[in-house]
Amino acid sequence: EAGVAQSPRYKIIEKRQSVAFWCNPISGHATLYWYQQILGQGPKLLIQFQNNGVVDDSQLPKDRFSAERLKGVDSTLKIQPAKLEDSAVYLCASVPAFFGQGTRLTVV
Amino acid sequence: AQSVTQLGSHVSVSEGALVLLRCNYSSSVPPYLFWYVQYPNQGLQLLLKYTTGATLVKGINGFEAEFKKSETSFHLTKPSAHMSDAAEYFCAVTVGSGGSNYKLTFGKGTLLTVNP
Repeated sequence: EAGVAQSPRYKIIEKRQSVAFWCNPISGHATLYWYQQILGQGPKLLIQFQNNGVVDDSQLPKDRFSAERLKGVDSTLKIQPAKLEDSAVYLCASVPAFFGQGTRLTVV
Repeated sequence: AQSVTQLGSHVSVSEGALVLLRCNYSSSVPPYLFWYVQYPNQGLQLLLKYTTGATLVKGINGFEAEFKKSETSFHLTKPSAHMSDAAEYFCAVTVGSGGSNYKLTFGKGTLLTVNP
């Protein structure tokens, strides 16, 4: 069974630039999550999708973060404009609790 | 709302020694509990989980954890540490209804070092 695929693995951008991350969950899994993991901390949930609908985005900083899941499969997470404090690993997960390898974002 | 506290941000053991990583949770309803391991520059790998039923849960790589409701704990153990166990370990809780809801709240993690 293929795992959760994420790209890119690493990204370095300057503050105020925009960036997008992509996630392809395990085939057939309707639920998809994006987590943010800041260095030295545990992951924090940003947004939960069920198929292509948002279930919970209460922790998503909506002034700069957006996410979509077209056709209930792939998902993209975007940050615009990025801040220094957005430097983190962004993890995608699908049910039951399988995580991708993450995208490490460095904002300079 | 639920929360997780992992006691000890860094645990160091000798190879062959017992591994004990502590996790306490707070939840107003019966929780589902998880332990994950994270190697450098990798995602999270599920070690084991407790949902319902038997309170002693066995996972991969020789790890196990026991759910103790009276102590609100879910400590992770392994009888004999191996060098390859060196990694960061995260405890997580959800109060979802199971099925498709695994909205996890994580602890801050415990870095396990194994000395030869």
